[in-house]
Amino acid sequence: QSALTQPASVSGSAGQSITISCTGTSSDVGGYNHVSWYQQHPGKAPKLMIYDVNKRPSGVSHRFSGSKSGNTASLTISGLQAEDEADYYCSSYASTSIFILNVFGTGTKVTVL
Amino acid sequence: EVQLLESGGGLVQPGGSLRLSCAASGFTFSTYAMTWVRQGPGKGLEWVSTISLNSGDTYYADSVTGRFTISRDNSENTLFLEMNSLSVDDTAVYYCARYAPGGYWYFDIWGRGTLVTVSS
Repeated sequence: QSALTQPASVSGSAGQSITISCTGTSSDVGGYNHVSWYQQHPGKAPKLMIYDVNKRPSGVSHRFSGSKSGNTASLTISGLQAEDEADYYCSSYASTSIFILNVFGTGTKVTVL
Repeated sequence: EVQLLESGGGLVQPGGSLRLSCAASGFTFSTYAMTWVRQGPGKGLEWVSTISLNSGDTYYADSVTGRFTISRDNSENTLFLEMNSLSVDDTAVYYCARYAPGGYWYFDIWGRGTLVTVSS
């Protein structure tokens, strides 16, 4: 089972919107509505930002939103702020012939210009 | 406060063993499935292993099958990861995380991680 594919880096100016893609297969992203997104600041633990494709946990800013089309999920950050600069990972429930439960994306470094 | 606190990491030689622990507090540990996720230096997140809430089901990534064993003690609110035959490729920060209720869908609470370094 390969990792989900994300762009290595995405950047935007403060106040702008950016979108991070996460491409998998029909055995993971495309097959289940259980895509989640995690934010990780340097040296810190990951933090859940989006679950079940487009749901936000309590306390997560409305500037974060998620969507999915086919085998590709996306995370959009609106009104980019300095504190959004971090690494972002997507994850999906997966079920393949080589059994695995959860697969992560390759990670995207977000830079606020 | 809901919290997960890992311990047991350290420096170990190739071929050696290590046992990680994850102490849970602030929630009813026995009602949640749990997992270990690792992150190699400068690398992304990698799912390692999962255990059901009553230890009836365990799952492992291909990379650790046969070498790692996940277990839990619900009476002590603690999750474990027994790691044997360690190689340099196992060097990583190991996080324990809690699955949200309902299935093995996503991780809502993470620990701070414990560093495992495999080196001679």
